[in-house]
Amino acid sequence: EAQVTQNPRYLITVTGKKLTVTCSQNMNHEYMSWYRQDPGLGLRQIYYSMNVEVTDKGDVPEGYKVSRKEKRNFPLILESPSPNQTSLYFCASSRGADNQPQHFGDGTRLSIL
Amino acid sequence: SQKIEQNSEALNIQEGKTATLTCNYTNYSPAYLQWYRQDPGRGPVFLLLIRENEKEKRKERLKVTFDTTLKQSLFHITASQPADSATYLCALGNNDMRFGAGTRLTVKP
Repeated sequence: EAQVTQNPRYLITVTGKKLTVTCSQNMNHEYMSWYRQDPGLGLRQIYYSMNVEVTDKGDVPEGYKVSRKEKRNFPLILESPSPNQTSLYFCASSRGADNQPQHFGDGTRLSIL
Repeated sequence: SQKIEQNSEALNIQEGKTATLTCNYTNYSPAYLQWYRQDPGRGPVFLLLIRENEKEKRKERLKVTFDTTLKQSLFHITASQPADSATYLCALGNNDMRFGAGTRLTVKP
């Protein structure tokens, strides 16, 4: 089954403790992206990747890092999480950037205390 | 700055009626516009894509229009059903993607 898988689905942690949210897709998609979703603000793009070893900042990249060493994986790293990064995070993938529907994972709910 | 606005946070309609959702944007020239559906606790699911040179697109009970002069897209669900209740998001993009905050549609039996 074609899917985007995120782990963990839920995480409660404390300020400053490094964490990684993994994202994996099995559709051989070139384009992958991370979003955060906050009430009233909608989905905001954090980082995106057009292909392996190519990443670019989205609208809200501060406090996040990503890497794209393999086509299928696109982890999101919070080196020193802070409470304002408490949010619902989505990973998405598509065949390309232009004109392609995005396939989303089911989300990761992060709470940073 | 670039802005995407969806007409209202919530829309309530009666079963069988046509739901019309609006997506307006400013300071942006997207090559295409997409609509997604999001159910509680789930990721958005792609519904329709319309390109800048297309005026209208249909898929079953769904219809999307795209007016680049007005900088607006309309999303219609005809013969609405309670199962259509969800949040609907519009998204504009080139290499990056920008989403509206969504409209929560409730279809009452």
